[in-house]
Amino acid sequence: NAGVMQNPRHLVRRRGQEARLRCSPMKGHSHVYWYRQLPEEGLKFMVYLQKENIIDESGMPKERFSAEFPKEGPSILRIQQVVRGDSAAYFCASSPLSGNEQFFGPGTRLTVL
Amino acid sequence: GIQVEQSPPDLILQEGANSTLRCNFSDSVNNLQWFHQNPWGQLINLFYIPSGTKQNGRLSATTVATERYSLLYISSSQTTDSGVYFCAVYRVDSNYQLIWGAGTKLIIKP
Repeated sequence: NAGVMQNPRHLVRRRGQEARLRCSPMKGHSHVYWYRQLPEEGLKFMVYLQKENIIDESGMPKERFSAEFPKEGPSILRIQQVVRGDSAAYFCASSPLSGNEQFFGPGTRLTVL
Repeated sequence: GIQVEQSPPDLILQEGANSTLRCNFSDSVNNLQWFHQNPWGQLINLFYIPSGTKQNGRLSATTVATERYSLLYISSSQTTDSGVYFCAVYRVDSNYQLIWGAGTKLIIKP
């Protein structure tokens, strides 16, 4: 049973470009969570999605950031017009039900030049 | 909001030593997880432990929810134990949103 998959593992973008991060949850998991980690810090919650629904996006910046989890395919975290402050590791987690143990992917390390 | 504090922030030990890492939280929580972030950045689930004690090999964890703390014990440390250990809690009013501590950075010297 494959774990949570994220790609790409590393992403380099110039200021103003778009970044698209993908997350495939574990088999049988329909709940996906995105977190951001700055260097030397713990993770910060961004958004919680179920299939085709955003349940809680309270941790996600209102502008430039969006997330989706379509009926088919991976969850996508999209950052438009990236700035240097967006440089961070972005982790995706999944669980079979809300409130269950979350399992994390390997993360995507975004560097904005 | 709920605060999660971990101590010590840094710990350097010789291979074979034992250690205790602490996690304090400022309010009641639904559940708690311990993670190991290895030097390559990968997060590894260690324990999912709302209360009581669990053991897995050389690692064990104890959560005393009524006193708002959890302890992670590592015995007979190995160099592969190096990395950052995070404690994260699930808020009572939001059973999916993990609130993370700042971590304990552990270095095991051969």
